[in-house]
Parts: sequence; C-alpha cells; structure tokens
Amino acid sequence: ETGVTQTPRHLVMGMTNKKSLKCEQHLGHNAMYWYKQSAKKPLELMFVYSLEERVENNSVPSRFSPECPNSSHLFLHLHTLQPEDSALYLCASSQDRTGDEKLFFGSGTQLSVL
Amino acid sequence: GQSLEQPSEVTAVEGAIVQINCTYQTSGFYGLSWYQQHDGGAPTFLSYNALDGLEETGRFSSFLSRSDSYGYLLLQELQMKDSASYFCAGTDSWGKLQFGAGTQVVVTP
Repeated sequence: ETGVTQTPRHLVMGMTNKKSLKCEQHLGHNAMYWYKQSAKKPLELMFVYSLEERVENNSVPSRFSPECPNSSHLFLHLHTLQPEDSALYLCASSQDRTGDEKLFFGSGTQLSVL
Repeated sequence: GQSLEQPSEVTAVEGAIVQINCTYQTSGFYGLSWYQQHDGGAPTFLSYNALDGLEETGRFSSFLSRSDSYGYLLLQELQMKDSASYFCAGTDSWGKLQFGAGTQVVVTP
C-alpha cells in the first residue's frame, strides 16, 4: 500500500464515451502527477499539479483533461479517445515539486479503448 | 531533454547477483532514481543518487558516475520476489523526471 489509490483498476470504453479516472492520496503531499505507461516504453509524464495548480502539461491532446479540486484528489477526464490511448495510467504524488522527491505511485488504471 | 537507456530483460537464478545498467544523455542532469514495479502493481521507489558513488540499502545498491553519464542498480542474493521491472529515472536541474523503458528481471529457481 503506497498511500495513493486509483479507481477504477480497469476500464473499457468506446471512442465516443466519456469517463473519468480518479486518484486520491492520503500522504499530505503537495504535488500530484499523471503518467501514461505503454508496454516496453518509458513512463510518459502527462500533467503535474503543485498545490492544486497545474504546473506542467506535456503536449497532451485535449481529449485528456485533468482536474485537481484539492491537494488530495486528482482526476483525469477522458473523451473521444483513440485506440492508441489504450495504456496503464498511473497517478503519483510527492511531498513537493523539487524533482529529487520520491514519487509514490498508485497501482494504475488499465484503460482499453475499443 | 533527457534520454535513458537500460537493457530490456535480464534473467538470473536465485541467490545470484544482477547489475542493471542505465546510461543517460541529458542537459542539466541532477540525479538518478530507481523504481521497482511488479506485474499489476505500482512502481515503488528504491533509491536516489545525487552524488557519485555507491548507495546501499539492504540487498540493493545503486551507483552513479556523473563523468561517465552512467549508473547501475545492483541486486544481490536474488530472491523469487525480486522478479519485476526496474526503471531508472533521471532528474534534471529544472526538476523534470524522465524514466527509462524499464528492465524486466526474471529470477529462476
């Protein structure tokens, strides 16, 4: 148990659906992240929030929309996804956003887009 | 930007020693981290090297050489539960963390 919880664990959606991924951290951290993990590829950083403010958006398509209502919760809203968006989506948190901080990851949401 | 290279897979027997190398190309390199991820699980932090040299934590050790843009993770006295993917990750001076593609370690009886 890392202290970071993601739901759902698995999600299958059609290209016209709208769904949301949820992440919650119970560690009192100030920074939260979304990563995309595809097989045999490096983890790709998607978004970074620090103190509820988005501080990084790594050229992610607009069909992915993050939301951070408070420092404990992070959402990733999905709409009109493509099959190539099928991947494991990982949420992480860290105490602050200094770069040498240890990241605490959730177990991820395995997303399949049909 | 950064890029990190590590082998895709390593196989070893229980009780053996495995070294996973990671070479990086980066501007403003700050430090190297290692993470372990079991199938279906969350990546978990193992170690962080900001300075050259060896850091030891139980059976696992991590090494960094800035002059060679190289680091490694050493797994000693391998156990079956060590079968997992291991990722190196480089931090640059802007606080950006870039991961390698991961090394699958397979431990056999």
